[in-house]
Amino acid sequence: DTAVSQTPKYLVTQMGNDKSIKCEQNLGHDTMYWYKQDSKKFLKIMFSYNNKELIINETVPNRFSPKSPDKAHLNLHINSLELGDSAVYFCASSPSSSTANTEAFFGQGTRLTVV
Amino acid sequence: AQSVAQPEDQVNVAEGNPLTVKCTYSVSGNPYLFWYVQYPNRGLQFLLKYITGDNLVKGSYGFEAEFNKSQTSFHLKKPSALVSDSALYFCAVIPGYSSASKIIFGSGTRLSIRP
Repeated sequence: DTAVSQTPKYLVTQMGNDKSIKCEQNLGHDTMYWYKQDSKKFLKIMFSYNNKELIINETVPNRFSPKSPDKAHLNLHINSLELGDSAVYFCASSPSSSTANTEAFFGQGTRLTVV
Repeated sequence: AQSVAQPEDQVNVAEGNPLTVKCTYSVSGNPYLFWYVQYPNRGLQFLLKYITGDNLVKGSYGFEAEFNKSQTSFHLKKPSALVSDSALYFCAVIPGYSSASKIIFGSGTRLSIRP
């Protein structure tokens, strides 16, 4: 059983398209995250979603919108894709964002390539 | 600004020798400190964490790390390296009195173990 699973694993699309990446966790965690890892492997948190509370990172363009139908799922929708959006996107979960002393569990990543 | 530094992009060690991957931080309060490992085409995996208590913490795969408050460091160590330890290692810090969504990752250090 994969604890945090995201689909698709690879995504190649043209500039201007809209795409979604799906994430599901079966750990019963309250909090889920989206991270972006750029070509230099630099990792940065984009969003965290703790039950009904969405915490937005102010540096993320509003073309990126997370959607959480329930606490086990957090999808990432991206509008009007740009070349600079090419990266690996990781979903992760942790028991609770208010409990900072717990580690996060990561999915395998979605490699997004915008052409 | 709060930050985490991994001063070495790459560390090369012969199998059987001890290894150290360095991490220093500059954050407010008493931080929570983590090490994660990323194998090729995989998500991050938790290795170990320091929350409070004993400055020397032990984690998965024989790794350990020492929290040094005066030097604001949290170096990752292993007494005897294995070829299978070759991977990308990330140090991460959550500033004191912060939620998990405020996590800051270092830039990563690629560890290469030669046979």
